[in-house]
Amino acid sequence: AQSVTQPDIHITVSEGASLELRCNYSYGATPYLFWYVQSPGQGLQLLLKYFSGDTLVQGIKGFEAEFKRSQSSFNLRKPSVHWSDAAEYFCAVGARILTGGGNKLTFGTGTQLKVEL
Amino acid sequence: GAVVSQHPSWVICKSGTSVKIECRSLDFQATTMFWYRQFPKQSLMLMATSNEGSKATYEQGVEKDKFLINHASLTLSTLTVTSAHPEDSSFYICSATRGNRGTGTDTQYFGPGTRLTVL
Repeated sequence: AQSVTQPDIHITVSEGASLELRCNYSYGATPYLFWYVQSPGQGLQLLLKYFSGDTLVQGIKGFEAEFKRSQSSFNLRKPSVHWSDAAEYFCAVGARILTGGGNKLTFGTGTQLKVEL
Repeated sequence: GAVVSQHPSWVICKSGTSVKIECRSLDFQATTMFWYRQFPKQSLMLMATSNEGSKATYEQGVEKDKFLINHASLTLSTLTVTSAHPEDSSFYICSATRGNRGTGTDTQYFGPGTRLTVL
């Protein structure tokens, strides 16, 4: 069974500083990897995803993530954080569903990002 | 595009009653819909997967008789919490996928969630 570990429960950064959120996964095959952001009162929003190909993935809102198979990691980065980036960030690994399409997501426990002005 | 709505956004009910939560894909047809449960300060836990017109597939440990899922159309899935008890209080989130059927590369689009409080 797949699993995801997000070792940092809380992270605080200053506005304008760079950000890296860690994510490690466990999965027997080539993983489908995702980063989602959850803001209060809003649904989870997909930031970026990796299925195959280039291991550096660009997402929305200036985020990027790098898939490193040797380290079983998919860390999320942003060069300059904005106050509006304060939210909960979830890393997820997807396992393909053989019937009906789609994939089953297993989420990490999330990292709460606080941005200091 | 790819908007998923949930109704209601929050509900309070008495112990022993049943509560129905709706999940709709507003601008696309969803091949598969998923229901998650999220406890405070915790991750999302997948409860079940449903495809239109077929029975839902429940995750291990999820009581299918307590959490009834009906996927009536390609744009609507409902979760009914039957005979709710305080321990069922939680944040319930649905998601839906579209396109790329069977390839596994579908993106899940999430609803805003429903906060259920059972008194």
